[in-house]
Amino acid sequence: DTGVSQDPRHKITKRGQNVTFRCDPISEHNRLYWYRQTLGQGPEFLTYFQNEAQLEKSRLLSDRFSAERPKGSFSTLEIQRTEQGDSAMYLCASSLDRALGPAFFGQGTRLTVV
Amino acid sequence: DAKTTQPPSMDCAEGRAANLPCNHSTISGNEYVYWYRQIHSQGPQYIIHGLKNNETNEMASLIITEDRKSSTLILPHATLRDTAVYYCIVRVAGGGADGLTFGKGTHLIIQP
Repeated sequence: DTGVSQDPRHKITKRGQNVTFRCDPISEHNRLYWYRQTLGQGPEFLTYFQNEAQLEKSRLLSDRFSAERPKGSFSTLEIQRTEQGDSAMYLCASSLDRALGPAFFGQGTRLTVV
Repeated sequence: DAKTTQPPSMDCAEGRAANLPCNHSTISGNEYVYWYRQIHSQGPQYIIHGLKNNETNEMASLIITEDRKSSTLILPHATLRDTAVYYCIVRVAGGGADGLTFGKGTHLIIQP
């Protein structure tokens, strides 16, 4: 499968714990995006990378959230001291270049904070 | 905020063409119209995009009005598997903010 891969697909954690999600983009896609989606809403943009550089962060990305893409390939999204309000689907997408083509999404990681 | 307006829901009979409208009256000259869909509990799926000319691919056709203030996504022969939320998004193709801004989309229900 050469699509965007996310791991894990589901995560249940206790409030206050840290969690980390991984995204493997489509090979050779230099842009990588993170989104969050809550029930009944469309996905909301969090941040994006061009290669290893994080170029944009949404105001939704609080200090407890951090994303990395150390070698310009896979990316991780970490949430520290999780809160119940962090419960959502976390989606990753990748694209070759904004002007040239669309972003393709993974299946997401469903986070439940109890 | 999303720069598009879509009806919250639509029904279509299986085998018929599904025509999904989208208003984007404030679209700029360098903004493209993108369509995605999301089937329950899955990630959004890219469908098609265009700037000002009509576009067609294996999934759908995109008709953009001459003034570019609205567009229609056409699924020519809808099947039950086309039941999903369809998002119309305008996206600039040069510098500045890069993230897609999703609205609430249109929930398309294909009836057997």
